[in-house]
Amino acid sequence: DAGVTQSPTHLIKTRGQHVTLRCSPISGHKSVSWYQQVLGQGPQFIFQYYEKEERGRGNFPDRFSARQFPNYSSELNVNALLLGDSALYLCASSLGTGMMGDTQYFGPGTRLTVL
Amino acid sequence: AQSVAQPEDQVNVAEGNPLTVKCTYSVSGNPYLFWYVQYPNRGLQFLLKYITGDNLVKGSYGFEAEFNKSQTSFHLKKPSALVSDSALYFCAVRDTDTGRRALTFGSGTRLQVQP
Repeated sequence: DAGVTQSPTHLIKTRGQHVTLRCSPISGHKSVSWYQQVLGQGPQFIFQYYEKEERGRGNFPDRFSARQFPNYSSELNVNALLLGDSALYLCASSLGTGMMGDTQYFGPGTRLTVL
Repeated sequence: AQSVAQPEDQVNVAEGNPLTVKCTYSVSGNPYLFWYVQYPNRGLQFLLKYITGDNLVKGSYGFEAEFNKSQTSFHLKKPSALVSDSALYFCAVRDTDTGRRALTFGSGTRLQVQP
């Protein structure tokens, strides 16, 4: 079975630009979460979506937004890019049962570099 | 708020020796704990989780973890290390004080297994 897929793999942007990252969850999974991993740190939670509704949001500015589509895929958008947005962006999918033990499975990530 | 601490930035062990990667947590309510592994330029791979029940949890690739409620710890162990186990390991705890199902990660521990 295919795992979580993300595109693109790498991306280089300049400050002030906008970027869209995409994620396709594991078949049968209805929940998608986004995390930002800055070099040398653990992933930080950005958003979680379930059935196209935002279920949670981390401590990120309004420049970050996301959405989930009817096929459960998701996009993460970042406006007005800053140098500090350079990071590995990870998408995770889960069944979305709402149970605390629901496991999140991660994709390979999108490496964003802002120059 | 919940938090995870991984007190060692790096753990070095010889191949064939047992390994331990330490994790302590802080959470209100019952803890739901996870271990993930990250290889260079890759996303996170799920190893194991503790929800409830036995304090010794078995996971993928021969890894296991010991949950200790009194010490608020969830240490990752393996009886015999392999060179291929060399990677970055993250402990995570599920958020419990909000409606979201996000994970809070530790800062990671780099495991180096010497041949």
